[in-house]
Amino acid sequence: ETGVTQSPTHLIKTRGQQVTLRCSSQSGHNTVSWYQQALGQGPQFIFQYYREEENGRGNFPPRFSGLQFPNYSSELNVNALELDDSALYLCASSVGGTGYQPQHFGDGTRLSIL
Amino acid sequence: TQLLEQSPQFLSIQEGENLTVYCNSSSVFSSLQWYRQEPGEGPVLLVTVVTGGEVKKLKRLTFQFGDARKDSSLHITAAQPGDTGLYLCAGQQGAQKLVFGQGTRLTINP
Repeated sequence: ETGVTQSPTHLIKTRGQQVTLRCSSQSGHNTVSWYQQALGQGPQFIFQYYREEENGRGNFPPRFSGLQFPNYSSELNVNALELDDSALYLCASSVGGTGYQPQHFGDGTRLSIL
Repeated sequence: TQLLEQSPQFLSIQEGENLTVYCNSSSVFSSLQWYRQEPGEGPVLLVTVVTGGEVKKLKRLTFQFGDARKDSSLHITAAQPGDTGLYLCAGQQGAQKLVFGQGTRLTINP
């Protein structure tokens, strides 16, 4: 069983640029959630995709957007990067549906904004 | 606003000692998870508690969910250096959205 994989592992950008982060979900999982983890903090929910549609969003501006593909992999896009966007971006996959389904995390993409 | 407050934020103890980490909220959660995160890695799920008052044990780790499903605790008995890491609690709020605490960084000294 292949786990959640994220790419790239590290990325350096400058203010104002745009970035795309990628996530391949675990086999059999149709739901992907994205989280931002600032240094020394717990992860914060950005949004979730279920069967290619956004299924919930946290308190993040519209310049944070996402996509989910038919194979359930996902992308997180961030436009007009700001210094405060520097963080570890985590992707988690799960099986959608009612009730609790455990979320399995990838190892994240470390994004640094200069 | 942090909906889940973890305490302590930092804890450094000697090998063999016992410890308890707390996770408190004014909100009710349908379930609560505990994760452990190592540097450079994503969080790894340790346990999920669902029922108020539920207690789960994982070797030397004991997890408890409060009766009102607003708080939880993690107790480690006879801590070992391998227990060192960042411990995160996370409450579920609908549609599988997880709300995380700020984490407890635990260091076990040999």
